[in-house]
Amino acid sequence: AQSVAQPEDQVNVAEGNPLTVKCTYSVSGNPYLFWYVQYPNRGLQFLLKYITGDNLVKGSYGFEAEFNKSQTSFHLKKPSALVSDSALYFCAVRDMGTRNTPLVFGKGTRLSVIA
Amino acid sequence: DAGVTQSPTHLIKTRGQHVTLRCSPISGHKSVSWYQQVLGQGPQFIFQYYEKEERGRGNFPDRFSARQFPNYSSELNVNALLLGDSALYLCASSLRVLQGTGPGELFFGEGSRLTVL
Repeated sequence: AQSVAQPEDQVNVAEGNPLTVKCTYSVSGNPYLFWYVQYPNRGLQFLLKYITGDNLVKGSYGFEAEFNKSQTSFHLKKPSALVSDSALYFCAVRDMGTRNTPLVFGKGTRLSVIA
Repeated sequence: DAGVTQSPTHLIKTRGQHVTLRCSPISGHKSVSWYQQVLGQGPQFIFQYYEKEERGRGNFPDRFSARQFPNYSSELNVNALLLGDSALYLCASSLRVLQGTGPGELFFGEGSRLTVL
């Protein structure tokens, strides 16, 4: 079975500082990995995905994520946080080699950027 | 271009009632997925449809059912509502069913917030 762990319920960072939101995954084969963001009372917005290739993936709004196969991690990063980045962030995984598997989400990490 | 649209946005039901939630995918998208998001949790997979056929089902009771129409829109039905069914129900569309070749990302609607009293 595939699963995602987001070990931090909340991450606080000062505006202008770098931010990291952690994600580890478990799949039987190779993973497709995604990050989504959710603003209050809104649906999920796609940020970036890892399929194959470069371990550093760049996405929307200046976010990037680093795939580390040996550590089964896919941490979300941004060099300089903005107050407007405050939101709920979800990591998601799907097993590349298994048919009909859905996208499985973590429980989310609430990011709070303080001015 | 219009994104994924869901209706209604909010609704209140009482225990034992039935609810139908509707979703229109992005134009050209043939796959629709439904997720349940309980407050404080990540989205949980309910159903996936592609070309009007069910392609996946999550661990939900038979009270939950869905279908996809020829225009690729979809309905989620929940019978005999329980208090625990209170949640944000998210619909997502993608270009292709998420199988094997190519992980088309999901595009989510704003959700239908269901409150069961």
